[in-house]
Amino acid sequence: GAGVSQSPSNKVTEKGKDVELRCDPISGHTALYWYRQSLGQGLEFLIYFQGNSAPDKSGLPSDRFSAERTGGSVSTLTIQRTQQEDSAVYLCASSKGLAGAYGEQYFGPGTRLTVT
Amino acid sequence: GQQLNQSPQSMFIQEGEDVSMNCTSSSIFNTWLWYKQEPGEGPVLLIALYKAGELTSNGRLTAQFGITRKDSFLNISASIPSDVGIYFCAGQNGGSGYALNFGKGTSLLVTP
Repeated sequence: GAGVSQSPSNKVTEKGKDVELRCDPISGHTALYWYRQSLGQGLEFLIYFQGNSAPDKSGLPSDRFSAERTGGSVSTLTIQRTQQEDSAVYLCASSKGLAGAYGEQYFGPGTRLTVT
Repeated sequence: GQQLNQSPQSMFIQEGEDVSMNCTSSSIFNTWLWYKQEPGEGPVLLIALYKAGELTSNGRLTAQFGITRKDSFLNISASIPSDVGIYFCAGQNGGSGYALNFGKGTSLLVTP
């Protein structure tokens, strides 16, 4: 079956511009996560969606970052007024959202964002 | 999120050798996971551990959930060139919607 897909795979933008990154989770997965991976680092949690509940935004680094999830499926991560320190790989993951299986998160290939 | 200390940072070994890497935390986790990431790809789940003391295998990979719930290790037996990649440990304790806390990774290079 299809895995998690993300688009675009690469994005180069000028400092100050807004960008939108898209994630299509695995069909039937109710939980969706966004992470950020800077060069040579582990993954940093950004935001979490579970079903129709309000998202957990506790990992967002600033108010320039926001995300939404429409219809409980596709999610969009938006970064406004991009800064050079926003350059990173943005990874989306989904899971079944079931107790005991939250840990089994399946990742997309990521979007590599470069801010010039 | 909580900091996970993963070691070693990198390993350079010959094909056929066994590999061991570990991960420690100052906090307790309910779940430990190990992922592998190759260049240009997202992390791929290798093993998930749900109970303290649990020892789980996946082919040539074996991982254990430490008794204290603050550590885990991953062993790879008889390494092969396709084992090359970055291995990440991740812990989960139910906070932040079960978001994963990741180590910084162990980079594995295998020479034929």
